Amino acid sequence: AQSVTQPDIHITVSEGASLELRCNYSYGATPYLFWYVQSPGQGLQLLLKYFSGDTLVQGIKGFEAEFKRSQSSFNLRKPSVHWSDAAEYFCAVASTSGTYKYIFGTGTRLKVLA
Amino acid sequence: DAGVTQSPTHLIKTRGQQVTLRCSPISGHKSVSWYQQVLGQGPQFIFQYYEKEERGRGNFPDRFSARQFPNYSSELNVNALLLGDSALYLCASSPPDSVTNTQYFGPGTRLTVL
Repeated sequence: AQSVTQPDIHITVSEGASLELRCNYSYGATPYLFWYVQSPGQGLQLLLKYFSGDTLVQGIKGFEAEFKRSQSSFNLRKPSVHWSDAAEYFCAVASTSGTYKYIFGTGTRLKVLA
Repeated sequence: DAGVTQSPTHLIKTRGQQVTLRCSPISGHKSVSWYQQVLGQGPQFIFQYYEKEERGRGNFPDRFSARQFPNYSSELNVNALLLGDSALYLCASSPPDSVTNTQYFGPGTRLTVL
C-alpha cells in the first residue's frame, strides 16, 4: 500500500537559516509527489510538484524539492527561512494510474525564531 | 480567478444530526475531491467526483455521501454525526488534464460535533 512518512513532527529554525523537511514514500512505481503548506485555520496551498524529468523541482516562495528514487525521498528545502514560513507542511503522493487519491503524510510543523 | 470556495466556514452540530457541506471548484475544473483532516493529522481522502460520476472513494462509512452537480459544484453529506466526525473538511478541484490531476484546495469547513 502507498504511504508517506514525514519523520519530523516539529522543526524549529532561526530566521535566515536553511531548512530541510523530510518526506519518504512507499510506492511501487514512480509516483506523483507534492508539497503543500497550511497556515493555521487555512486550507492547503500547493508549493511544488514532481511528475517526471528533472529531479530538482522549483516551487513558489523560494522552496525547492529533490526527488531521490534510490532513497524513496522527496525532501523540501529552502536556503533562507522567513518568519512568514511558519506553518505546517504536508508531503503527498498520488498514484500514477487513477490519480484521484492523494495520500498525505502527517505533516511537519515549522516554527521560525526571530 | 477565484479559487476553490467552500461553505459554510464553520459549523456546529450535535451527535446524530446530519450536515451538508458545499464546494465550488475553480472555473474550468471538472473534478472535485473531498478530504477529512482531523486535528494533528494529514488530510484523508473521502471521495472524488469527475463529470458527476464517483471516481474514487476512501475508507469512510456509508454515512458519508457526496454528489456533483452539472455546474461541477459538489456537496458532501454526513448522516448520524459522531463526535469523531469533528474535523476540517477540505474540498479540492483539478483541471481537466487527467494526467497530472493536480489538486487545488479550498479553505475548508470546520465541523464541530458536540
